[in-house]
Amino acid sequence: KQEVTQIPAALSVPEGENLVLNCSFTDSAIYNLQWFRQDPGKGLTSLLLIQSSQREQTSGRLNASLDKSSGRSTLYIAASQPGDSATYLCAVMENYGQNFVFGPGTRLSVLP
Amino acid sequence: NAGVTQTPKFRVLKTGQSMTLLCAQDMNHEYMYWYRQDPGMGLRLIHYSVGEGTTAKGEVPDGYNVSRLKKQNFLLGLESAAPSQTSVYFCASSFTAVGGGSYNEQFFGPGTRLTVL
Repeated sequence: KQEVTQIPAALSVPEGENLVLNCSFTDSAIYNLQWFRQDPGKGLTSLLLIQSSQREQTSGRLNASLDKSSGRSTLYIAASQPGDSATYLCAVMENYGQNFVFGPGTRLSVLP
Repeated sequence: NAGVTQTPKFRVLKTGQSMTLLCAQDMNHEYMYWYRQDPGMGLRLIHYSVGEGTTAKGEVPDGYNVSRLKKQNFLLGLESAAPSQTSVYFCASSFTAVGGGSYNEQFFGPGTRLTVL
């Protein structure tokens, strides 16, 4: 059974720092991996989607990488801002079905 | 485009009552999903649909039923609500996973907060 973990569970950084969030999955037979952010009491907003054949995707200050063989993905946030404070979740889509498995999330606080 | 919408936003039920949650999407997506999100448990898939008229069970389907009579709508029903079904329910939709290189990004609705007393 696919399991997705995220480290750290919570992170607090001063504004302007570059930071890395980690996502690990146990079964490398994935179709894609997606990073989301969730603000308190809100739904999930898609940040980046990486297909299994890709190694990274970039959007603005965000860069996500994927290493399928080692079962890892990282989300890099450059020059963090207080508006980046949210919970970040990763999810993998398994190859042989339409099931997305989510990690527990990393709660990020960026202090002004 | 409204994207993915959910109704209602909040609901309080008594044990044994029934209700239906409605999800609608205007992006012509093939796939639709229902998740529940609980503290310490993360997001778990309840049911999903790969097209109009089709449904399939996810990780935690017990106590729920679904229907996809129209491509744009996906309904989640609770026939006899239990306190264990107190949760936040999210609907999502995506394009398709068929074929190599297909784009299958999930888009989420704002959620429905359900309390069962």
